[in-house]
Amino acid sequence: NAGVMQNPRHLVRRRGQEARLRCSPMKGHSHVYWYRQLPEEGLKFMVYLQKENIIDESGMPKERFSAEFPKEGPSILRIQQVVRGDSAAYFCASSTGTGSNQPQHFGDGTRLSIL
Amino acid sequence: DAKTTQPNSMESNEEEPVHLPCNHSTISGTDYIHWYRQLPSQGPEYVIHGLTSNVNNRMASLAIAEDRKSSTLILHRATLRDAAVYYCILRDGRIAGTASKLTFGTGTRLQVTL
Repeated sequence: NAGVMQNPRHLVRRRGQEARLRCSPMKGHSHVYWYRQLPEEGLKFMVYLQKENIIDESGMPKERFSAEFPKEGPSILRIQQVVRGDSAAYFCASSTGTGSNQPQHFGDGTRLSIL
Repeated sequence: DAKTTQPNSMESNEEEPVHLPCNHSTISGTDYIHWYRQLPSQGPEYVIHGLTSNVNNRMASLAIAEDRKSSTLILHRATLRDAAVYYCILRDGRIAGTASKLTFGTGTRLQVTL
């Protein structure tokens, strides 16, 4: 029973390029969450998606960042025109439902480095 | 969101029990208490959660104070692999959707020594 799969594990981009981070939730999970962990800082919520819908994007930066979770395929977090401050670990989590007693299962993250 | 307070760090000897405290004096009656941990270079891992009663699972036990203003995560026999940052998180049970996000604090860094 595979867990949450994120790829790539490490991604290097130059300033101004685009970064695409992928997340395949656990089998049977239709709720996906993205979190970011900046160096020496805590984990911060970015966005919560359910198949084809964004439910809560209150933690997403207003510009350059977007997320999707299509009917088929993985969830994608896209960062356009990356800057040095985007260097961080990006974690995806999934759950079976939205209830507050539902645990979230995390992947091992994508570590994004901007040159 | 109701706030939690945890010690920055704790130390334990291997094979001894560890009690990780969490204060949540402003908890509401519908807040669930969740614990996650993050091992080095890994994503957070769900440990346990509860509402009012104490809970046990294969990883740990959760002891919740009668007034629910504090809780304790108990690792019965710490191993080196339990060295991690442990997060105590409250989740509001009343609101769907936006309540789904986890709000991580700074957690407790647990060091386990031989």
